[in-house]
Amino acid sequence: DVKVTQSSRYLVKRTGEKVFLECVQDMDHENMFWYRQDPGLGLRLIYFSYDVKMKEKGDIPEGYSVSREKKERFSLILESASTNQTSMYLCASSLPTGQGAGGYTFGSGTRLTVV
Amino acid sequence: GEDVEQSLFLSVREGDSSVINCTYTDSSSTYLYWYKQEPGAGLQLLTYIFSNMDMKQDQRLTVLLNKKDKHLSLRIADTQTGDSAIYFCAETVRGNDYKLSFGAGTTVTVRA
Repeated sequence: DVKVTQSSRYLVKRTGEKVFLECVQDMDHENMFWYRQDPGLGLRLIYFSYDVKMKEKGDIPEGYSVSREKKERFSLILESASTNQTSMYLCASSLPTGQGAGGYTFGSGTRLTVV
Repeated sequence: GEDVEQSLFLSVREGDSSVINCTYTDSSSTYLYWYKQEPGAGLQLLTYIFSNMDMKQDQRLTVLLNKKDKHLSLRIADTQTGDSAIYFCAETVRGNDYKLSFGAGTTVTVRA
């Protein structure tokens, strides 16, 4: 069964901490994405990557950075966590442009609380 | 830019049909998707429709697309308690079809 795995389901961090959220996919997908999900706002794209070491800003990149050193792994980094970054974070992967309508495969999410 | 809108809540009686509606603004949409999110879980692809189609049926699910009005709907026949979830509409657009734009999600509650 193909999978996108997020390393933590729940995290509690303190304001100012550096936070790493990890995501691994086993489908050999080129594209990987990080979204945050907030009630009434749906999913908002933070960053995405279309290849190893490549990254592009999404709609809300401020306060975040990403790392993609290997094809299967995409990390989201909160350089200095703040309470307004308390949210559900979802990782997804997909085939490249033009390779069909498979959509995204999502991980189960990491619920991050910053106190 | 892309803008996808959905109503936030829907309550339906078990055994009835549910209809979840979505509107979008970008006329160059290529694919339109419905995802389901159960409590505490990630999003699961339910079905999708290519923009040159107007209907797609898959067991209890029927997707209708009205390109003129930029309106997408998902009908769930014989709604069950296991259908209680958040349903997201999403689109990709020509020239940008690696990127999905999501609506805010419709929370469907199935009551006995």
